[in-house]
Amino acid sequence: EVQLVESGGDLVQPGGSLRISCAASGFTFSRYAMSWVRQAPGKGLEWVSSILGSGGTTYYADSVKGQFTVSRDNSKNTLYLQMNNLRAEDTAVYYCAKRSRDSSGNWYLDYWGQGTLVTVSS
Amino acid sequence: DIQMTQSPSSLSASVGDRVTITCRASPGITSSLAWYQQKPGKVPKLLIYAASTLQSGVPSRFSGSGSGTDFTLTISTLQPEDVATYYCQKYDSAPLAFGGGTKVEIK
Repeated sequence: EVQLVESGGDLVQPGGSLRISCAASGFTFSRYAMSWVRQAPGKGLEWVSSILGSGGTTYYADSVKGQFTVSRDNSKNTLYLQMNNLRAEDTAVYYCAKRSRDSSGNWYLDYWGQGTLVTVSS
Repeated sequence: DIQMTQSPSSLSASVGDRVTITCRASPGITSSLAWYQQKPGKVPKLLIYAASTLQSGVPSRFSGSGSGTDFTLTISTLQPEDVATYYCQKYDSAPLAFGGGTKVEIK
């Protein structure tokens, strides 16, 4: 059974940093691309970042480029998101999601974790 | 960047009704489009990928269609447990844009 468990969400002051994690189990972690998606309170879903299985290729939304860094440790089956210079608008539940390939070779999000809440406030 | 526009933003229908949600991609995309269901207070759940492929375990009353610019999610017979917000997402390349969501309620 695929399980994704996020952790590390916290209350952070504006300008602060935080690293959140996603522990994966139930599948061969290194074979799958992973993504982070966030949801601000009462708002819709926003894709944040993706990373391929090897960790060598990463992608970011324009809203977080240069501010967030995605990484993974395949030996620990864990995905990370390092968030720096946090702003109030970064307040959201952050979900990690596993990706799977369709017949065209593109990667959709098939399993989501429960999310971890990051609150940026003074 | 590609914009994903969903309509309507909300709808209210009776149990047993046929419900249709539209997602428009501008500019057009491939068929790499997914639909997710998010029930109140819950985690998003994949319903459909590749525009029309039903994810394992999803009830057959859900179906998807479309390609290029216009995509549709249909609930053939609305059930009380279908109360949720539905999102489309294009996933062929970064950025993986989501639509704004459609909130479905029971009349």
